[in-house]
Amino acid sequence: QVQLLQSGAEMKEPGGSVKVSCKASGYTFASHDINWVRQASGQGLEWMGWMSPNSDNTVYAQKFQGRVTMTRNTSINTAYLELRRLTSEDTAVYYCARETNNWFDPWGQGTLVTV
Amino acid sequence: SADLTQPPSVSVSPGQTASIACSGDILGNRFVFWYQQKPGQSPLLVIYQDTKRPSGIPERFSGSSSGNTATLTISGTQVMDEADYYCQAWDSSTAVFGGGTHLTVL
Repeated sequence: QVQLLQSGAEMKEPGGSVKVSCKASGYTFASHDINWVRQASGQGLEWMGWMSPNSDNTVYAQKFQGRVTMTRNTSINTAYLELRRLTSEDTAVYYCARETNNWFDPWGQGTLVTV
Repeated sequence: SADLTQPPSVSVSPGQTASIACSGDILGNRFVFWYQQKPGQSPLLVIYQDTKRPSGIPERFSGSSSGNTATLTISGTQVMDEADYYCQAWDSSTAVFGGGTHLTVL
């Protein structure tokens, strides 16, 4: 079945960077964009951006431009989210989600990043 | 930036109908998607393209949209439906989520 498996929890110092991975299985990785969404504890969902696995196309939410990079390694069906210059406000669960015709399904299990 | 507005909370008795609204200027000509999130779990798609239900989602979940407001309706609400619900739409190449609605079933 279609599945997105994310890397484990991370604990980072303020000012540092984090890189979260999202490994896809059960479908053709190049056929669907990957979106990243984060959720602070007790808060709502916040969209961060998307990347196309079969090109260099990316779109980042304005809030994160300049300190976020979304990349992929198609040989291992894995997408990556890197966030730099971390502050305590970046403490959240980060989700990847497969996009199909503009909806997100499925979602990864989430990666807790604590700053 | 585009905003989607949802009520923070909705309460319903088991067996009754719950309605969760999502409003925003961008909804007039764009599809809305709905996600259910239970504590400690990842979001789950329950409605796509305003009214369609993914495979495996119970028939009691339905969606509608008119003008700048979309509505998620749960008919015959069950205790297991207690969760947070989020609407989502696109504004050009940017995804926008509503603030979420906590549905209480009691």
